[in-house]
Amino acid sequence: EPEVTQTPSHQVTQMGQEVILRCVPISNHLYFYWYRQILGQKVEFLVSFYNNEISEKSEIFDDQFSVERPDGSNFTLKIRSTKLEDSAMYFCASSELGSGNTIYFGEGSWLTVV
Amino acid sequence: AQSVTQLDSQVPVFEEAPVELRCNYSSSVSVYLFWYVQYPNQGLQLLLKYLSGSTLVKGINGFEAEFNKSQTSFHLRKPSVHISDTAEYFCAVSDRSTNAGKSTFGDGTTLTVKP
Repeated sequence: EPEVTQTPSHQVTQMGQEVILRCVPISNHLYFYWYRQILGQKVEFLVSFYNNEISEKSEIFDDQFSVERPDGSNFTLKIRSTKLEDSAMYFCASSELGSGNTIYFGEGSWLTVV
Repeated sequence: AQSVTQLDSQVPVFEEAPVELRCNYSSSVSVYLFWYVQYPNQGLQLLLKYLSGSTLVKGINGFEAEFNKSQTSFHLRKPSVHISDTAEYFCAVSDRSTNAGKSTFGDGTTLTVKP
């Protein structure tokens, strides 16, 4: 079964450093998402991406965050200058279409900011 | 805007017993409803979803959920649980009117199945 893959599975970074989390969505999907889950808290929507642009973003997704689809297969989340509170599990997801369609999640990338 | 309340943070249950995980939502617009499961150290997997039609939805692994519009609830049930059902379960909603597929998640319910 096709799946969303994410790398790295775990990254430790120093506060202030830039981090790029990578994702390969399912190949025929058109919508891409990033969610995050701070340890012990709920899964929170960050951003959705469609047709090479952001279609919606949450208040969490401030100027420190950016997303990119640099080629036909990868979808990346960049955090420009990490803060301690950015430590979380980051989930990439994709769906064939938008609302109501099944969103397939990757296994997540654990980011630890020290 | 939507919100999701999962009424039980932890549900311990014995193997082969029935279980119900409760979910209530609040929204000013019509929504789609989802249940996801997260096994330890894994990503989120869709259990089932309600889009329209029959209010009783059947999903994978023997789970089902019933959409109750008047009570704004979408409770998840399984008649007989297994040890392997031990996991975190998340209820989620998304706005029918947008194409973005953004979902709002509840806090999660930890289901622990004991032998």
